[in-house]
Amino acid sequence: DGGITQSPKYLFRKEGQNVTLSCEQNLNHDAMYWYRQDPGQGLRLIYYSQIVNDFQKGDIAEGYSVSREKKESFPLTVTSAQKNPTAFYLCASSMSPGGYSYTFGSGTRLTVV
Amino acid sequence: GQQLNQSPQSMFIQEGEDVSMNCTSSSIFNTWLWYKQDPGEGPVLLIALYKAGELTSNGRLTAQFGITRKDSFLNISASIPSDVGIYFCAGQLYTNAGKSTFGDGTTLTVKP
Repeated sequence: DGGITQSPKYLFRKEGQNVTLSCEQNLNHDAMYWYRQDPGQGLRLIYYSQIVNDFQKGDIAEGYSVSREKKESFPLTVTSAQKNPTAFYLCASSMSPGGYSYTFGSGTRLTVV
Repeated sequence: GQQLNQSPQSMFIQEGEDVSMNCTSSSIFNTWLWYKQDPGEGPVLLIALYKAGELTSNGRLTAQFGITRKDSFLNISASIPSDVGIYFCAGQLYTNAGKSTFGDGTTLTVKP
């Protein structure tokens, strides 16, 4: 079955360390997105990519970085510059930019210890 | 940027009751989408609306795309315990590179 896979489900990071969250999709979707969700809050866009080798900053890109070297993969790195990284991170994909619903992964919960 | 106002923020209802939630925007959208998120999981699409005035049902769920293109509502009839979760509305505008703007969500609690 086609879908979008995020790993790991739970991640613990020490302060000052960079950490990379994985997102892989086999839906042949062109566009991919990263969102951050904090308790009681909605979804805030971190980065998005409409095609391979291209990506744009979302509303809260500071302290994060991404790459899109393959259509299937859109990893997110949470750097030490992100001051409050503890959150639930969601990856999503859509068939193409414009007018299509998102398919979400099951999320990664990152905790800084 | 565009913002969505989703209400209510939370709802506590008895099993069997009907539920209504809505989203409003100061600007128009071309597409309205409703998602449900179970605890610890990613949101899942419930209903997609593509035309102003469109009314669409999916089982016990009914959603409508407002005539003005600035609002949408979602109704759930005869709620059951598995309806518990967070419901998000999302709007898309073709000129915004297909990015969705999300509401802050409505948290639904159903008491048996």
